[in-house]
Amino acid sequence: QVHLQESGPGLVKPSETLSLTCSVSGDSITSTSNFWGWIRQPPGKGLEWVGSVSYSGGTYYNPSLKSRVTISIDTSKNQFSLNLNSVTAADTAMYYCVRDVYGGIPHDVWGQGTKVTVSS
Amino acid sequence: QSALTQPPSASGSVGQSVTISCTGTSSDVGGYNYVSWYQQYPGKAPKLIIYEVTKRPSGVPDRFSGSKSGNTASLTVSGLQAEDEADYYCSSYAGSNNFYVFGTGTKVTAL
Repeated sequence: QVHLQESGPGLVKPSETLSLTCSVSGDSITSTSNFWGWIRQPPGKGLEWVGSVSYSGGTYYNPSLKSRVTISIDTSKNQFSLNLNSVTAADTAMYYCVRDVYGGIPHDVWGQGTKVTVSS
Repeated sequence: QSALTQPPSASGSVGQSVTISCTGTSSDVGGYNYVSWYQQYPGKAPKLIIYEVTKRPSGVPDRFSGSKSGNTASLTVSGLQAEDEADYYCSSYAGSNNFYVFGTGTKVTAL
């Protein structure tokens, strides 16, 4: 069974960088069948796709966040990471890591989510 | 890229059917057969219940079904159960530049 687990600071100061890691178990992050991504949900609001990374490191980002986002994979640790710089209060959200199966099955596995608050 | 439009709420009596719409454009819903639906309980992560417009992952009850016509996709819950009370989100592939766009979400209530 595939399991995803997010980790990282729950509090980030404005203008600093939000950094989260997703640890993958039960699947290989280098599987050619999968992409790995991040989705966020501000308190009381809907879901927003942040971006995805392929097994080879190719990246795809939400155009509205593209200038601030970096997603990368670490094959040695079977993990992938999210960096979001120059954060503001609008980046306060629950952040979920997800698996996308290449060819049409998006976000079939979700992590439990990690809450990130941007505040001084 | 704008969010897909869903009604804020929908309700039905236990045992009846409820249908949720998801309206986009020809650049997302209407342009690809890659619409998916997610069920989210309060405080929990979303769960995939429909992908590629009509397909159900293993373990999802067959009372959940999906369809699409033009720029609008729909999720129907037939034989509504109390445990189906949740928030439901649609999502569509939106091309190589935008990738995925989500709907605004619909809260389903079983009366």
